[in-house]
Amino acid sequence: KQEVTQIPAALSVPEGENLVLNCSFTDSAIYNLQWFRQDPGKGLTSLLLIQSSQREQTSGRLNASLDKSSGRSTLYIAASQPGDSATYLCAVGLITQGGSEKLVFGKGTKLTVNP
Amino acid sequence: GAGVSQTPSNKVTEKGKYVELRCDPISGHTALYWYRQSLGQGPEFLIYFQGTGAADDSGLPNDRFFAVRPEGSVSTLKIQRTERGDSAVYLCASSLIADTGELFFGEGSRLTVL
Repeated sequence: KQEVTQIPAALSVPEGENLVLNCSFTDSAIYNLQWFRQDPGKGLTSLLLIQSSQREQTSGRLNASLDKSSGRSTLYIAASQPGDSATYLCAVGLITQGGSEKLVFGKGTKLTVNP
Repeated sequence: GAGVSQTPSNKVTEKGKYVELRCDPISGHTALYWYRQSLGQGPEFLIYFQGTGAADDSGLPNDRFFAVRPEGSVSTLKIQRTERGDSAVYLCASSLIADTGELFFGEGSRLTVL
């Protein structure tokens, strides 16, 4: 059974700091990996999607890497801002035995960026 | 619409009652998913529709839960005889084609069973 773990569970940093969020998964048979942002009481906003054949994706101050063989992904946030404060969720995409698709999520990392 | 729309945003009900939660996906998206998120946890898969049919309902916790998508767009998640343990945020997501992988989520329906 695929399990996704995110470390740390919570992180507090001063504004301007560069930071890394970690995600690990137990089964390398994934077809993609997606990072989401969730604000309190809100839904999920997709940040970056990495296909299984890719090593990294970048969007603005965000960079996500994927190492399937070791079962790891990192989300790098450069020059953090208070507006980055949110919970960041990592999810791996699986193809089930029946041929359908689903995401398996970690529990998230709650990030607080202090002014 | 511009995004995935879910109604109601909040629902408070009493134990034993019947509840319906609605999801209106992004126009043209053929794949639709329901997930459930309990407090402090990541979302957990419930059911996946490709068009009108439920391609995978393996995540539904028991037979009190049922979902439909009769015309291939709007979906309704139905919960019978609600229990306190059903309290959670129910999230709906859609994608243009299932194998693109990028899901777009709604803001969720927060269900509280008293």
